[in-house]
Amino acid sequence: NAGVTQTPKFRILKIGQSMTLQCTQDMNHNYMYWYRQDPGMGLKLIYYSVGAGITDKGEVPNGYNVSRSTTEDFPLRLELAAPSQTSVYFCASTRGGADYGYTFGSGTRLTVV
Amino acid sequence: QKEVEQNSGPLSVPEGAIASLNCTYSDRGSQSFFWYRQYSGKSPELIMSIYSNGDKEDGRFTAQLNKASQYVSLLIRDSQPSDSATYLCAVRYGGSQGNLIFGKGTKLSVKP
Repeated sequence: NAGVTQTPKFRILKIGQSMTLQCTQDMNHNYMYWYRQDPGMGLKLIYYSVGAGITDKGEVPNGYNVSRSTTEDFPLRLELAAPSQTSVYFCASTRGGADYGYTFGSGTRLTVV
Repeated sequence: QKEVEQNSGPLSVPEGAIASLNCTYSDRGSQSFFWYRQYSGKSPELIMSIYSNGDKEDGRFTAQLNKASQYVSLLIRDSQPSDSATYLCAVRYGGSQGNLIFGKGTKLSVKP
């Protein structure tokens, strides 16, 4: 099994450009998450989804959008990129339930210049 | 305010020693606790989970939970240079379907 797959691994954007970070999982997990990680700041939740068609905001949703049309896919859209969005982005998933932690993808390193 | 606090380190221990990593959390109702290891430039990897007060052992790793003190720890016995990484504590808030809140991590360095 591939687990959680993120693409691209690296990307440089110019200010004002838009892009979509892709996330796919093959574990039939209902719960999926997007985090950003800045140096020394830990993981901050951007958006999450508890199933296809259901999404909700996390701690830092401004400047981002998500959709969840299938169980497998949970893309993150950046509109009008800003330097403050320079970060490492991780997608994660879990089957749900108190006993289960998250499985993370390998991450996307995004630089906005 | 949902908070998970960790000492950022770096924590430096000699090879073969016991490394002790600590974490405190703010929500007394939290039920699930997790330790992740993150190597530089890589994604977090789940290494331990604990739900009940006391100790849970898995190989060289022991997780300890004290709900009364709202305290979770991770002990790494016989530390190896390959254990050098940042260790993230995560706490599930809001019941069994709640999201994980992560601490900022403790950087561990094991010196040969």
